[in-house]
Amino acid sequence: KQEVTQIPAALSVPEGENLVLNCSFTDSAIYNLQWFRQDPGKGLTSLLLIQSSQREQTSGRLNASLDKSSGRSTLYIAASQPGDSATYLCAAPNRDDKIIFGKGTRLHILP
Amino acid sequence: NAGVTQTPKFRVLKTGQSMTLLCAQDMNHEYMYWYRQDPGMGLRLIHYSVGEGTTAKGEVPDGYNVSRLKKQNFLLGLESAAPSQTSVYFCASSPHGGRSPLHFGNGTRLTVT
Repeated sequence: KQEVTQIPAALSVPEGENLVLNCSFTDSAIYNLQWFRQDPGKGLTSLLLIQSSQREQTSGRLNASLDKSSGRSTLYIAASQPGDSATYLCAAPNRDDKIIFGKGTRLHILP
Repeated sequence: NAGVTQTPKFRVLKTGQSMTLLCAQDMNHEYMYWYRQDPGMGLRLIHYSVGEGTTAKGEVPDGYNVSRLKKQNFLLGLESAAPSQTSVYFCASSPHGGRSPLHFGNGTRLTVT
């Protein structure tokens, strides 16, 4: 059974700092690792999908890494901005097509 | 192209009442998912479907039923609502299941009194 854990549960950092969000998973038989953003009262928006054969994926100021052997992924946000404040969730799709989510990290960027 | 649309957006039910939540997608996706989101619990998978006419149980299926009679629609039913089913419900779809990105609706906020 896949279990996905995100640490920390909440994070506050001053604007302009670089930061790292962590995601770990117990079953390494995944297709990929997906990162999402959720604004308050809204649905989830896909940020990055990193394939199981990849080590990294980048989109603008975001960089996701994946280490299947250790069951870990990180989301790196460079030069953080107040608009980055949101909850970030990771999901690990298994080969049975169940897509299991972590509980998310609430990020607050201080102006 | 509306993407994933959930109906209704809000609903209040009394304990024991029944209702159906509708999820519709116009992207011709094969896979559809129902999640519930509770404070501090993240998203938990209720049921999912890998194609028209199919359904499968997720992590927390008890108290819910689903149907996928048409490819574009995935219905979530509560036969006898309980206060423990107060939650925000999200529907998502994907062309190739876990092999491709999920697309989410904006959610249905359900309160059971």
